[in-house]
Amino acid sequence: KNQVEQSPQSLIILEGKNCTLQCNYTVSPFSNLRWYKQDTGRGPVSLTIMTFSENTKSNGRYTATLDADTKQSSLHITASQLSDSASYICVVSRGAGKSTFGDGTTLTVKP
Amino acid sequence: NAGVTQTPKFRVLKTGQSMTLLCAQDMNHEYMYWYRQDPGMGLRLIHYSVGEGTTAKGEVPDGYNVSRLKKQNFLLGLESAAPSQTSVYFCASSYSRLANTGELFFGEGSRLTVL
Repeated sequence: KNQVEQSPQSLIILEGKNCTLQCNYTVSPFSNLRWYKQDTGRGPVSLTIMTFSENTKSNGRYTATLDADTKQSSLHITASQLSDSASYICVVSRGAGKSTFGDGTTLTVKP
Repeated sequence: NAGVTQTPKFRVLKTGQSMTLLCAQDMNHEYMYWYRQDPGMGLRLIHYSVGEGTTAKGEVPDGYNVSRLKKQNFLLGLESAAPSQTSVYFCASSYSRLANTGELFFGEGSRLTVL
């Protein structure tokens, strides 16, 4: 069964601290893996996209890694800001418009 | 450049009523999708379209119908609303698979409550 598991379910950190979110998947075949940020009451917005051959991809303070052998990905947030408070969603695509979504990790950054 | 626009943003229905959600995109995307998002659950695909005049079922299609008469529009219909259809609905679009990135561009969501 194609599944995407994210951990932790929720996380609280202090402003300025770093954090890492995890994504494990069993989706096959694999086309690409994307991380999205969803602010409360808004639609998801793409942070990074990685294909099979890419190990890491950065977008400002966000760095995603991919280990296609172990089917694991992580999203590392550096020097967190209050505006990073959101839900982070891992999405794995099998191609041809077929995607499997994780349930998301809710991050709260406190001052 | 508006991207993906959904209307209405909020709606309250009574059980048995019908309604249509409209999604419009101005990026000339081939693929369009309708998802629902419920608390504690990932987005689930209702229906999708790979081009004008085509539609296909997703994971949770029951109780919904869709139409893609124009490339830029994708309509989601509820013929007889049920309380279980209370949810936030998201429309998304993407380039054709030939563009290989598969990035989804989402609308802002439509919050539907069925009483």
